[in-house]
Amino acid sequence: GENVEQHPSTLSVQEGDSAVIKCTYSDSASNYFPWYKQELGKRPQLIIDIRSNVGEKKDQRIAVTLNKTAKHFSLHITETQPEDSAVYFCAAGGGYNKLIFGAGTRLAVHP
Amino acid sequence: DTAVSQTPKYLVTQMGNDKSIKCEQNLGHDTMYWYKQDSKKFLKIMFSYNNKELIINETVPNRFSPKSPDKAHLNLHINSLELGDSAVYFCASSQVGGLNTEAFFGQGTRLTVV
Repeated sequence: GENVEQHPSTLSVQEGDSAVIKCTYSDSASNYFPWYKQELGKRPQLIIDIRSNVGEKKDQRIAVTLNKTAKHFSLHITETQPEDSAVYFCAAGGGYNKLIFGAGTRLAVHP
Repeated sequence: DTAVSQTPKYLVTQMGNDKSIKCEQNLGHDTMYWYKQDSKKFLKIMFSYNNKELIINETVPNRFSPKSPDKAHLNLHINSLELGDSAVYFCASSQVGGLNTEAFFGQGTRLTVV
């Protein structure tokens, strides 16, 4: 069935370091790959997304890469700040934007 | 203005009771969803409605019955609540028409069954 694997489950970095989260999806029909950030007790909020016709997208300190052949996509956060601490979810979307989420990565950025 | 709003924010109830969670979106989106987030933070889709029609039903027990009176509202009714139903339930909406787009989430309803 449809599945999205996300690694690592927890990530601890020092402020200013980079953080990388990786996801693998199983459904080759997936064509939309959003990343959501969820702070404690809050709703998931989109931080960046990429479509299957694009290999890379960047927005300030955040970038996402997609390898359709390998069914891999990754989130890169550079110059991390304490306010980047949160749970990050990758997702793969197909028909009617049915999003299959990864299990989440708890990122802790230490000052 | 809140884009996707759901009520109540917290719900504590006893096993066996029936409860409802309401959701409304003012974004003009045509598709709405219910997601369940368990204690381990797994976010799993339960249902999706497009223009008031059910299009996704992810093997959810039939104690869960979504209802969409119009495309701006998607309510979730749960019968005979069980301990395992305790979770945070998120409503979401998006505009689906050719290209998938951002799903906007409500603030969540924390359901606790005791």
